[in-house]
This record gives sequence, C-alpha cells and structure tokens, in this order.
Amino acid sequence: GAGVSQSPRYKVAKRGQDVALRCDPISGHVSLFWYQQALGQGPEFLTYFQNEAQLDKSGLPSDRFFAERPEGSVSTLKIQRTQQEDSAVYLCASSLGLGWGTDTQYFGPGTRLTVL
Amino acid sequence: AQTVTQSQPEMSVQEAETVTLSCTYDTSESDYYLFWYKQPPSRQMILVIRQEAYKQQNATENRFSVNFQKAAKSFSLKISDSQLGDAAMYFCAYMGQGAQKLVFGQGTRLTINP
Repeated sequence: GAGVSQSPRYKVAKRGQDVALRCDPISGHVSLFWYQQALGQGPEFLTYFQNEAQLDKSGLPSDRFFAERPEGSVSTLKIQRTQQEDSAVYLCASSLGLGWGTDTQYFGPGTRLTVL
Repeated sequence: AQTVTQSQPEMSVQEAETVTLSCTYDTSESDYYLFWYKQPPSRQMILVIRQEAYKQQNATENRFSVNFQKAAKSFSLKISDSQLGDAAMYFCAYMGQGAQKLVFGQGTRLTINP
C-alpha cells in the first residue's frame, strides 16, 4: 500500500506568514508523529497523536506551532507568523500503535520549509 | 533528558567491505529501545534495526548487526559487505521507557566507494 505522504513537498514563506503542512498517514495507522529536522541535524520530536487525541506536544517550540488530527487520520501542522528559525524539513511519521518499542514508525518524505 | 551522540559526522568505505558506525547515549532508565534509521538522499527515513535494552543478544538483520554495550551505553551499527545502496545518512535513535517519541542523534553520512 501507499506510504506516508506529505504536502507540499516544498514551501517558501515570507517571514510573518502562516503556513499549513499536511500529512496523510498509512491507512489504519493509529499513531502519528511530527518531527522537525534542521539542516545537517537529526530530527527532533514535535508532537504525537493517538487517533485524534494529541497525547504529547512537549516538543512544539512555541505557541506559534499548532497541530491537529480531527478525524484521526490526516494531520495538519500549522505555523503562525513564521520566523527564519522555523526553516527546516518537517517530517511526519505514522505507526500501527501496537505498543511501546515494537511499533515501527514509517516516515514520509518531509516538507522543506524555507522562511525568507 | 536523554541524549544520543554520534561522533562520526562522515564515514566512507569501499564497496564489499565492512564499516561500523558509532553511537553513544545517556539515560538513567533501565529499559528502553535503540534504533538505527537510514535516510537516503530522498529524505524518507527507513528503520534498519532495533534493540531492546533488556535483551542481551545483539540484533541482526541480514547484513546489518549491532554491538550493544549496555554498561558503556554504546550502540554501534556494523554493515557487512557494503553495497552502493547503503549510501545514506544513518541516525541512531532512543525511545525511553513507555514513551513513543524517538530521540535522534546528529547522524553519520556514509559514503560507499565503488
């Protein structure tokens, strides 16, 4: 079946603009994650959903970042009033939600956000 | 907070030879999972191998194996018979007890020389 898809693949925003990044997880996957990957760095956790419930948002860097998954499937990461430091690749991952550690997170190709 | 350190930003190896990528981590937890992920230039991360801390036997997946030293908090990845398709960024990652999120290292870029 299809893997995790993300759109757009590339986004250029002017500083101060709002952006919305979309993630389509693998069908049937209960868990969904967002990570931020700065250039030359490893991904950093932003937030985690189990179905529609946002169970962990400890990694969101500021209140300008907001994520939702209203029907337990597609998720949107919204960044308000973008800043240059928000420039990064935003990765989405999904998993079956089988249990701790044995679950495999499947990653999407990412959205590269550039804030000018 | 747990941290993961990959001290080799870049590694290279001749095709068909063996290479070892290093990873150390810091934690006070007794049970956790460790992972190696591969990120080819297209940016889609793929799980290579996982290891549960309570299992003493080192995990193996075909040409990929790990050397897990719990006391030393070391988790290295050995790739045998390197192939051109192994060229990628490799990330070591940690998942704490009961957690769902992954904590990644900075990555090691592996180049395979034909």
